[in-house]
Amino acid sequence: AQSVAQPEDQVNVAEGNPLTVKCTYSVSGNPYLFWYVQYPNRGLQFLLKYITGDNLVKGSYGFEAEFNKSQTSFHLKKPSALVSDSALYFCAVRDFGTDKLIFGTGTRLQVFP
Amino acid sequence: GAVVSQHPSWVICKSGTSVKIECRSLDFQATTMFWYRQFPKQSLMLMATSNEGSKATYEQGVEKDKFLINHASLTLSTLTVTSAHPEDSSFYICSARDRERASLGELFFGEGSRLTVL
Repeated sequence: AQSVAQPEDQVNVAEGNPLTVKCTYSVSGNPYLFWYVQYPNRGLQFLLKYITGDNLVKGSYGFEAEFNKSQTSFHLKKPSALVSDSALYFCAVRDFGTDKLIFGTGTRLQVFP
Repeated sequence: GAVVSQHPSWVICKSGTSVKIECRSLDFQATTMFWYRQFPKQSLMLMATSNEGSKATYEQGVEKDKFLINHASLTLSTLTVTSAHPEDSSFYICSARDRERASLGELFFGEGSRLTVL
């Protein structure tokens, strides 16, 4: 079965520092991977996706993610964190068998001024 | 583009009443819509998959008679929580898949509906 893991419940980073939110996946075949962000009491907003092509994917709000096939990872990154980036981040993989998105448990990012 | 509107954002109701939540794709046609439930500080729990013109497919453990899902058109799906009880209080989120971009698997989410049952 397809799955994603987000090993960190929370990530704390100082404003201006680079941030990384980790995600690893387990799929059969080529993965379709996604990152979403959720602000309090809001729905999920799409950040970026990897389908094929360049391993480094650029997305919204200055975020990017690197697809690493050998490590089965798709970590979310940003060179310089903003306080406004504080939110809940979800990694997801498409399950072609059921045609659903399988979500990780989420990582809460806290950026301190 | 790819906007999903969910209404109402907040709803408070008395125990035993029914509440309907609407999910609309505003600028695309959604072949499939998904309904999620999210508890505080927890991940999304998929409740059911809704396909236009057919019955919804419910995940294991979700009561289909309690959570009625209707997907009457390519732009509208509704979730009705019947005979609501305090334990049904939660944050409900819908998402939709664009028919034109279905092969990519990407989902577009509504803003969520917070239900409080007194």
